Amino acid sequence: EIVMTQSPATLSVSPGERATLSCRASQSVSSNLAWYQQKPGQAPRLLIYGATTRATGIPVRFSGSGSGTEFTLTISSLQSEDFAVYYCQQYDNWPTFGPGTKVDIK
Amino acid sequence: EVQLLESGGGLVQPGGSLRLSCAASGSTFSSYAMAWVRQAPGKGLEWVSAISGSGDRPYYADSVDGRFTISRDNSKNTLFLQMSSLRAEDTAVYYCAKDGAGSNWYFDLWGRGTLVTVSS
Repeated sequence: EIVMTQSPATLSVSPGERATLSCRASQSVSSNLAWYQQKPGQAPRLLIYGATTRATGIPVRFSGSGSGTEFTLTISSLQSEDFAVYYCQQYDNWPTFGPGTKVDIK
Repeated sequence: EVQLLESGGGLVQPGGSLRLSCAASGSTFSSYAMAWVRQAPGKGLEWVSAISGSGDRPYYADSVDGRFTISRDNSKNTLFLQMSSLRAEDTAVYYCAKDGAGSNWYFDLWGRGTLVTVSS
């Protein structure tokens, strides 16, 4: 099983600031990496797949980078609706998720 | 636009069984693979099971293999998860999710989830 880790566990950011979230895989997953956003009481929403491709309807302030074992999700200018938990997921093998990064208001 | 709606969750005793359903709107249900992903209370996401568009290829996480059975009825646009020998650790919100593209196993559409509680 490919183990995914995320850092930090919690990120405190002010609205309008940039947020950088990290995700690491225990072995190479090539570019088979997705990012999801989840708000309380809601289902996850796909943000990024293929490590860098924004899903349909996702604002351009969300961007993904990386390949192999190291990945980053960047939110260029945080909006109020972006405060949520973010999960990375690899699909190079059977899907596994990271533990999540909570982005909260500073 | 495809929408997914789960049902069938509830309270069940350890060792019991439960069948979840996921109804999909739209006319192209058979053209995409589907999966179940669960989330224990206050915890992260765990992939549980997946199935090909035709329904002939099921896949399971080790944690549920031999206890859960995934299936689909493409004539009714419905995905199922038959759960048996349930344990306390199976307590979670169960989401059905649509595969993004060609059984790549990232998920571009999720239902709202149904809560399964395993407790005596």
